[in-house]
Amino acid sequence: NAGVTQTPKFRILKIGQSMTLQCTQDMNHNYMYWYRQDPGMGLKLIYYSVGAGITDKGEVPNGYNVSRSTTEDFPLRLELAAPSQTSVYFCASSTEFTLHFGNGTRLTVT
Amino acid sequence: AQSVTQLGSHVSVSEGALVLLRCNYSSSVPPYLFWYVQYPNQGLQLLLKYTSAATLVKGINGFEAEFKKSETSFHLTKPSAHMSDAAEYFCAVTTNTGTASKLTFGTGTRLQVTL
Repeated sequence: NAGVTQTPKFRILKIGQSMTLQCTQDMNHNYMYWYRQDPGMGLKLIYYSVGAGITDKGEVPNGYNVSRSTTEDFPLRLELAAPSQTSVYFCASSTEFTLHFGNGTRLTVT
Repeated sequence: AQSVTQLGSHVSVSEGALVLLRCNYSSSVPPYLFWYVQYPNQGLQLLLKYTSAATLVKGINGFEAEFKKSETSFHLTKPSAHMSDAAEYFCAVTTNTGTASKLTFGTGTRLQVTL
């Protein structure tokens, strides 16, 4: 059972470039989330989704977009990368309380 | 609004010693509380959760936590540390029920275990 799979594992972007972080889960969970993790800051919620076609902003949504066309997939889009978006990004899914995390994408914007 | 505060960004214990990682929460309604562990270059894994049943919660790898409403605390303990316990630990809280579990995380405590 793969759980939550994130790609790529690492990426370096130049300022102003765009990219999509991919996330897919095979547990048939309705709820999915994107968090970013910065040293000493814990995890901050970027966006979340309660089901296909439904997304909502979390605590730090600026500079990001998401879509949820299927139950399995929840990609995160960065349109104009900025140095402040250098971070480790985690995707997660859940039924009710327990979040299952992917292994993260380490993104550097220079 | 909900929040958690983890006291101590780094904790160092000797192998075999008691592990105590502190977490205090703030919530206007009854909270659901969690401890997650993160090993290097990995995602977070659930250690244990409190969802308003028993106040003493047992988790994986010998960890447990006690919900104390009077102290607004949910401290994580393990009687005897093992080298493999070295990791970063996050306390988290949510008050959402019946919908997406939008956890609010603490800033983390890095546990070092020495010989």
